[in-house]
Amino acid sequence: QLVLTQSPSASASLGASVKLTCTLSSGHSTNAIAWHQQQPEKGPRYLMNLNSDGSHSRGDGIPDRFSGSSSGAERYLTISNLQSEDEAEYYCQTWANGIRVFGTGTKVTVL
Amino acid sequence: EVQLVESGGGLVQPGRSLRLSCTASGFTFGDYVMGWVRQAPGKGLEWVGFIRSKAYGGTTDYGASVKGRFTISRDDSKTIAYLQMDSLKTEDTAVYYCTRESGWDSSGRYVGAVQHWGQGTLVTVSS
Repeated sequence: QLVLTQSPSASASLGASVKLTCTLSSGHSTNAIAWHQQQPEKGPRYLMNLNSDGSHSRGDGIPDRFSGSSSGAERYLTISNLQSEDEAEYYCQTWANGIRVFGTGTKVTVL
Repeated sequence: EVQLVESGGGLVQPGRSLRLSCTASGFTFGDYVMGWVRQAPGKGLEWVGFIRSKAYGGTTDYGASVKGRFTISRDDSKTIAYLQMDSLKTEDTAVYYCTRESGWDSSGRYVGAVQHWGQGTLVTVSS
């Protein structure tokens, strides 16, 4: 079964970095994923696509403060130079033939 | 610029039906997989389903919680995707987002990432 696991919360200070983790279930460690951001009271926004080799492509207008990396079944989103507007829920998403799956989301708090 | 605009949300009684529309612009609509994702109040994102392009049969797939009750269709001439929701339950109450996927990359791999989101429309199922 294709499942994505995310920690419920993360926090870091303004200007610091935070690294979020999304873990793919057993048997799916080579899947690519996408990261999405949802700011409070807004709809989701696509951030990037992230491959198993760590290569990633950001969406239009996404600053390079947002970067992705991979290790085994884990996919990471690193936000550098954290800004107040980065306080949001972050979801990972993956796909296989006939199915799409979202992680449970990580709420990022900017201290 | 890609735009996805949902319409058709509102208040509906349990057991009744509702149809949502997603009007798309800014891209060649017929070439892309279109889908729906929902978000219940205070909850995370849940995949509802998608429809493939006509080139791949226009076939559909659905999440377990809506399979057999919801139907996705598309009208490429009008660039509209539809979500027909039947036998609605109170637990279907959510904001429904229309989505467009990334599609085929330069290596020939299909990328099923949701690349574009609509602004969402609220569906409330209540008596």
